[in-house]
Amino acid sequence: KAGVTQTPRYLIKTRGQQVTLSCSPISGHRSVSWYQQTPGQGLQFLFEYFSETQRNKGNFPGRFSGRQFSNSRSEMNVSTLELGDSALYLCASSDTSTNEKLFFGSGTQLSVL
Amino acid sequence: GNSVTQTEGPVTLSEEAFLTINCTYTATGYPSLFWYVQYPGEGLQLLLKATKADDKGSNKGFEATYRKETTSFHLEKGSVQVSDSAVYFCALRGGSNYKLTFGKGTLLTVNP
Repeated sequence: KAGVTQTPRYLIKTRGQQVTLSCSPISGHRSVSWYQQTPGQGLQFLFEYFSETQRNKGNFPGRFSGRQFSNSRSEMNVSTLELGDSALYLCASSDTSTNEKLFFGSGTQLSVL
Repeated sequence: GNSVTQTEGPVTLSEEAFLTINCTYTATGYPSLFWYVQYPGEGLQLLLKATKADDKGSNKGFEATYRKETTSFHLEKGSVQVSDSAVYFCALRGGSNYKLTFGKGTLLTVNP
């Protein structure tokens, strides 16, 4: 079974631009969560989708949004990028609605210049 | 809200040394507790878990016991190897929303 796939692996953007990151969960997994990882703050929860519905949301500004498609693939979008948005964005999927075990992708490294 | 506090790294050990990474948590109710590991350039992987008080999770020589009285879930290994070098994250899943809350991670480096 293929693992969680995130694209692109690396991304360089400038302030003010917007970006879309993609995540393909493991086949059959319906839960997808997104995390932002930075050296100073560690892993911070962005949002979670289950069967196309946003189930949980973290404390990020409205510039961060996401969605999940009927095939469970998910995208997250960041508009009006700021320098502080530079981070590793991790996607995780789960085969249960209770997130008993998360399977993480390798992440998308976003650099905002 | 829920929170996790763990040993601030980096932690540097020699091969075959004993490892302890401390983890304490704040949560309402009875959370499930996890240790995840992140090897360089990779995403996180579940290392072990415990779902109720006094449960011991174990995997690959690592162990952690869910201590409700001290709200702790310390990670231990009796003899570390160079291949154990990674970042270790303690996490909890609490409440009815199944969201995971992670600690900030502890970088472990094991020297030969």
